Amino acid sequence: DSGVTQTPKHLITATGQRVTLRCSPRSGDLSVYWYQQSLDQGLQFLIQYYNGEERAKGNILERFSAQQFPDLHSELNLSSLELGDSALYFCASSPIPGGDTQYFGPGTRLTVL
Amino acid sequence: AQSVTQLDSHVSVSEGTPVLLRCNYSSSYSPSLFWYVQHPNKGLQLLLKYTSAATLVKGINGFEAEFKKSETSFHLTKPSAHMSDAAEYFCVVSDRVGGATNKLIFGTGTLLAVQP
Repeated sequence: DSGVTQTPKHLITATGQRVTLRCSPRSGDLSVYWYQQSLDQGLQFLIQYYNGEERAKGNILERFSAQQFPDLHSELNLSSLELGDSALYFCASSPIPGGDTQYFGPGTRLTVL
Repeated sequence: AQSVTQLDSHVSVSEGTPVLLRCNYSSSYSPSLFWYVQHPNKGLQLLLKYTSAATLVKGINGFEAEFKKSETSFHLTKPSAHMSDAAEYFCVVSDRVGGATNKLIFGTGTLLAVQP
């Protein structure tokens, strides 16, 4: 158990809908990262937050957004969902902003029908 | 740009025999390299990490990896495979995006099967 929690574990929704994935980092970790794992794209970095502020963006679609709250939990919002958004979404946290050891949550499996 | 290449998409070994999972990296500076493991329907677990302190890195569950700069390789090995080692293994390099940010760049993964 890494100490990173993600909810929900599974999510099934329809095209065009909007969903929110939630992540709580390890106690004391200020930095949160989001990754997407899909069959065709593999594991890709989406976005990073540190202490409430966006720090870096990767291959994140404009339909996707994220935020980190004062209690350090983070949410990833996915809107206008398409079939291709079906994937496993991981959250990771690290103790310091430039810390490259990241601890991953169990993931949220999103299925878009 | 940083990148990693996992040379085998599938590796099959017999229980009790050695494991070798191959990874080559490309980096414009001294890299931080990792191996992560993903068991079926589970999250990603850190096996080991290289950050230039020692070229031979020991990880959990008997795994180790050797950093070879001359060959730009970071292969993962284990002397004796166990059935519980069956999983997907990812070679990962850390990419400094700028300032205090490190994003992880994942290889395409190697699926390890262990035959009884």
